[in-house]
Amino acid sequence: GQNIDQPTEMTATEGAIVQINCTYQTSGFNGLFWYQQHAGEAPTFLSYNVLDGLEEKGRFSSFLSRSKGYSYLLLKELQMKDSASYLCAVETGGFKTIFGAGTRLFVKA
Amino acid sequence: DGGITQSPKYLFRKEGQNVTLSCEQNLNHDAMYWYRQDPGQGLRLIYYSQIVNDFQKGDIAEGYSVSREKKESFPLTVTSAQKNPTAFYLCASSARQGADEQYFGPGTRLTVT
Repeated sequence: GQNIDQPTEMTATEGAIVQINCTYQTSGFNGLFWYQQHAGEAPTFLSYNVLDGLEEKGRFSSFLSRSKGYSYLLLKELQMKDSASYLCAVETGGFKTIFGAGTRLFVKA
Repeated sequence: DGGITQSPKYLFRKEGQNVTLSCEQNLNHDAMYWYRQDPGQGLRLIYYSQIVNDFQKGDIAEGYSVSREKKESFPLTVTSAQKNPTAFYLCASSARQGADEQYFGPGTRLTVT
């Protein structure tokens, strides 16, 4: 079967660093996406990992280990506007993208 | 100003009625998708289309239908056969199917009573 697991909720403090983990078991793997979704709004693209390792983009970084079926999204210097859901998604064989349920991040002052 | 639009943002219907959700994109993308999002669940794929006049069922296609007569348009009809139609519906597009990031519309929240 296809399965993507993420923590349901996380809370962190403004200015801190938070790591959101994602584990996946899918029938195929072409790449892994992270999207940000504010409540009631559309998801927006954050990152795409195909190869193992860390991809850094400003305050956001994403890591992938294909052998372990594991990824994380690292958010640095947290701001209040980072309060949102973060969706991990795997592009599987057959050109479908499977989405996890998302991790709701609460940033407190 | 390129983007993907969905209308309306909120839609209310009585049980037993078919309803069509619109999705338009001016990004010149080949691939388009329809997802359904329920509380506490990930986005689930309803239908997707790689090219005009071609579309495939996703994981939860039962009770839904689509058409792709134009590259920029991919309307979704929620039929009376769909047992739990109340949900948040998201349309997306990408330059190529799969490998490229998907651009999402603002979504339509459908309530059926």
